[in-house]
Amino acid sequence: EDKVVQSPLSLVVHEGDTVTLNCSYEVTNFRSLLWYKQEKKAPTFLFMLTSSGIEKKSGRLSSILDKKELFSILNITATQTGDSAIYLCAVGGREGNMLTFGGGTRLMVKP
Amino acid sequence: DAGVIQSPRHEVTEMGQEVTLRCKPISGHDYLFWYRQTMMRGLELLIYFNNNVPIDDSGMPEDRFSAKMPNASFSTLKIQPSEPRDSAVYFCASSLWDYNNEQFFGPGTRLTVL
Repeated sequence: EDKVVQSPLSLVVHEGDTVTLNCSYEVTNFRSLLWYKQEKKAPTFLFMLTSSGIEKKSGRLSSILDKKELFSILNITATQTGDSAIYLCAVGGREGNMLTFGGGTRLMVKP
Repeated sequence: DAGVIQSPRHEVTEMGQEVTLRCKPISGHDYLFWYRQTMMRGLELLIYFNNNVPIDDSGMPEDRFSAKMPNASFSTLKIQPSEPRDSAVYFCASSLWDYNNEQFFGPGTRLTVL
């Protein structure tokens, strides 16, 4: 059974801090790893990492994928209160377009 | 495109009542997914369809839950009879057949069963 574990469960930082969120996985026939941000509504897509793209960057957010050690990290630099959200990691594997989601990391950024 | 559309956005019902949640996927997407999210269990996949055909319903909690996709632009998730433990946010998501698996989520339906 595919498995995705995220850590830490929750994190409280102050504006300007840098945070690192972790995602480890066990999945059959790995195809991709996705990061989503969830505020009060539905998850919104941040990054997709695959065998052909193991590092992504967008503004203050960046992510890397280590296929050998089976993990990914999401870095957020110079955090802002608007970064407060639940960050979800999901892995695509076994069949179809199914994603297996981790439990999420709840990030709170204080002013 | 309007994105994935779900209705209703909020539903409050009493235990034992039938509940029907609706979803319209993004036009042209051939995969549709139903998820349930709770504080205790996080985001769980209930069932998914490919080209309107149910592929994997192993996440459906029990026989009280059923899902249909009569055509490419509409799906329903039905709970009959509903129980308080069904209270959760139910998301619908859709995607293209795509090696990279990106799914687009609807706004969700917050269900409260009293």
